[in-house]
Order: sequence, then C-alpha cells, then structure tokens
Amino acid sequence: GENVEQHPSTLSVQEGDSAVIKCTYSDSASNYFPWYKQELGKRPQLIIDIRSNVGEKKDQRIAVTLNKTAKHFSLHITETQPEDSAVYFCAASQGGSEKLVFGKGMKLTVNP
Amino acid sequence: KAGVTQTPRYLIKTRGQQVTLSCSPISGHRSVSWYQQTPGQGLQFLFEYFSETQRNKGNFPGRFSGRQFSNSRSEMNVSTLELGDSALYLCASSPASSGANVLTFGAGSRLTVL
Repeated sequence: GENVEQHPSTLSVQEGDSAVIKCTYSDSASNYFPWYKQELGKRPQLIIDIRSNVGEKKDQRIAVTLNKTAKHFSLHITETQPEDSAVYFCAASQGGSEKLVFGKGMKLTVNP
Repeated sequence: KAGVTQTPRYLIKTRGQQVTLSCSPISGHRSVSWYQQTPGQGLQFLFEYFSETQRNKGNFPGRFSGRQFSNSRSEMNVSTLELGDSALYLCASSPASSGANVLTFGAGSRLTVL
C-alpha cells in the first residue's frame, strides 16, 4: 500500500520568511496530492491540492510542486505570518482509489 | 450549507466497553471516510464508505467496524476498547463517486479510554 513520509516534523521561522515542507510517497499510481492545515483544537482543512497531470499549482502565498519521477511533492509558503502557525499534513491517494494516506504532519511555528 | 457533523464530541469509556460514533456528511456527499488521529501518528485511515458499501479499508483490527445508511450518514463502532484506542476520530465526506477528491472533515469525536 501507499506510504507517505513527511519532513521535517517541526519548523520554526520568523515572520516574513518562507517555509518549505517536503513529502515523499511510494505508490507510483498515486494521482492526487492534497495538503491540509490543522490549527490547534480544530479540524484539518484543505489549503491546496494537486493532481498528477500538473507539476505546480499556486494560490496566493502558497504553492505546491510535484515531481512524479522522484515521487515527492512539496508545499511552499512565502511571506509567512503568525496565523500560518499550525500543523500541516500532506497526503497521497492510494493509486487511483478514494483512500488518502496522510503523512505524520509538520508543526510550523511563525514567530512575530 | 451545513458541514460534516460528528457526535458525540467527547466521550469517556473504560477498557472492554464498546463505543459507537456517528457522522452526518455534507448534503449531497455520498462518500464518508474515517480516520484515527493520535499525537505523533498523524491521521490513520480506518475505512471509506460509498452507497452503503465499504470500498476501502485500513489496517486496523476487526474490533473497528463501520457502516453507512441510505441517507449517507455513517457510524463506526469500536468493540472491546483498549487504552490505545484513545484518540480523536475524524470523519470526512467527499462528493466524489469514484477516485480521490477533496475531503471535508468534521470536528471529530474525542474518545478517552480509561
């Protein structure tokens, strides 16, 4: 089955810096890669996603890149703000199925 | 429109008991997935239902079971509770009839096993 590895597990940056979170996956048939943000005590919420037929996608300060050959994808956050502080989870579909396999999460702290 | 609703939000059980958690998906969403969230382990997939059928299953013991009703509402059950079952159980719904798609999560049911 699919295995998703996420690193680093924690990251602390200064406000205004950029942050990059990297994930690798094992199933070459995976075709959907979402990123979720979970603030303390709240539910995970989708922030951006990408499908395997696209290499990069941007939405304001966040972007996701996908390298299918290397089987890794990354989340880039520019001009970080304190409200970006949260746990970020990457996920990959198991093949083309409805099952999403999540990484273990990365805690991002943005210091003002 | 209303989001994904999970009940109860909090519950405390003792070892050996069983528990049933409920999830009402977003109106029109027919796929419901369940995840277990524990510190350091992220979100671990339990199962996914569509049209009252379990389509996908994770690697959890048979003590964990679920079902889906004709109105797409879903329940999961954990029997013979163990201390390690203490976790936040998240339900998510999706509009997709097939293939992976956006999951919208509920607030979760936090289970404590004493």
